[in-house]
Amino acid sequence: AQKITQTQPGMFVQEKEAVTLDCTYDTSDPSYGLFWYKQPSSGEMIFLIYQGSYDQQNATEGRYSLNFQKARKSANLVISASQLGDSAMYFCAMRGVYGGATNKLIFGTGTLLAVQP
Amino acid sequence: KAGVTQTPRYLIKTRGQQVTLSCSPISGHRSVSWYQQTPGQGLQFLFEYFSETQRNKGNFPGRFSGRQFSNSRSEMNVSTLELGDSALYLCASSLEPGQAINTGELFFGEGSRLTVL
Repeated sequence: AQKITQTQPGMFVQEKEAVTLDCTYDTSDPSYGLFWYKQPSSGEMIFLIYQGSYDQQNATEGRYSLNFQKARKSANLVISASQLGDSAMYFCAMRGVYGGATNKLIFGTGTLLAVQP
Repeated sequence: KAGVTQTPRYLIKTRGQQVTLSCSPISGHRSVSWYQQTPGQGLQFLFEYFSETQRNKGNFPGRFSGRQFSNSRSEMNVSTLELGDSALYLCASSLEPGQAINTGELFFGEGSRLTVL
């Protein structure tokens, strides 16, 4: 069975500093995708970054980068130069190939990030 | 390009009633999936539709149902509401099923927040 584990229920970071949000996963799928979403208090799930299991390089999107360590089954999100607007809940999610063509995601429990001025 | 649109954003119902939620995907997206988010269970997959057909279904009772129309808009219905159905219901769209694992293109709406009294 697939599983996503986020061990940090909450984190604080000072504005302009970098922060790493942890995510480990478990799957027997030979091919899979890993996602990070941001959910502000409004509720919308905002797509941040995606990493395919066969991608050779770590994904980057602006201030977001994904530290993908396949052997350790970890996909940590790194946010550089934190901003007050980064305060939100962050979810790590995974999609595997088993089950055919589907967009079913398995989500972690989330990490609540608070950026302090 | 408009994002995923969900209506209504907020609604209050009483036990035993039924509710219908609507989701309009991003223009050109033909796959729609639904998720339930609660404080206790987190984010859980409900079902996925493509070409007016249910492609995948999560572990929810039969009171939860959905459908997709020819224009790719989707609705989900919950009958005989229970207090535990209070949740944020999120809709996600992509071009096709399985698109998420290839390109990471899976985008969510702002959700419909249902309160059952």
